[in-house]
Amino acid sequence: RKEVEQDPGPFNVPEGATVAFNCTYSNSASQSFFWYRQDCRKEPKLLMSVYSSGNEDGRFTAQLNRASQYISLLIRDSKLSDSATYLCVSSAGTDKLIFGTGTRLQVFP
Amino acid sequence: DAGVIQSPRHEVTEMGQEVTLRCKPISGHNSLFWYRQTMMRGLELLIYFNNNVPIDDSGMPEDRFSAKMPNASFSTLKIQPSEPRDSAVYFCASSRNLGGTYGYTFGSGTRLTVV
Repeated sequence: RKEVEQDPGPFNVPEGATVAFNCTYSNSASQSFFWYRQDCRKEPKLLMSVYSSGNEDGRFTAQLNRASQYISLLIRDSKLSDSATYLCVSSAGTDKLIFGTGTRLQVFP
Repeated sequence: DAGVIQSPRHEVTEMGQEVTLRCKPISGHNSLFWYRQTMMRGLELLIYFNNNVPIDDSGMPEDRFSAKMPNASFSTLKIQPSEPRDSAVYFCASSRNLGGTYGYTFGSGTRLTVV
């Protein structure tokens, strides 16, 4: 079983739609969680951290469910510029970050 | 802040040649990570350093791969001899600490093609 698992997609959604991604992690000792965004032929960039209480940054909301060991990302009012691959990340205990293989999002006009 | 700087951006080499990838982490970051990304396997952690000391190299695919960090501002990843299956994008990332409390910052990557 992979340490971090995501649905690879692609998710094809129209502009203005709400889309949600989930991912699961296997290490119950994981301490830190993030969502990264990666554009085609670019490096991954930190989108947001994920906190136990849930957190929001503009149109983006992240949630953590420790009991079920899953993380979610909700994007409201999707924009064309949101088209990218979204990488789910968890720490391996207190040491190093493990990246999922990513979920591809394509927003169309 | 110049970010994490990697060189070269692109490298095309023939099978059997030695390849050296370079990375300059963000000043003040104590931890440095080398990742490899392919379509099939995603981002794989190869090796990481804390305070210039290698902590875990279990991700290094085989003895042909080696990495060094002679000081806090420079690291290299070497492949000798290179093989076509090594073709991938190699990313270097740095962070303030190992656990990545604040996440990692990635360089722009080196796209390696071995023919």
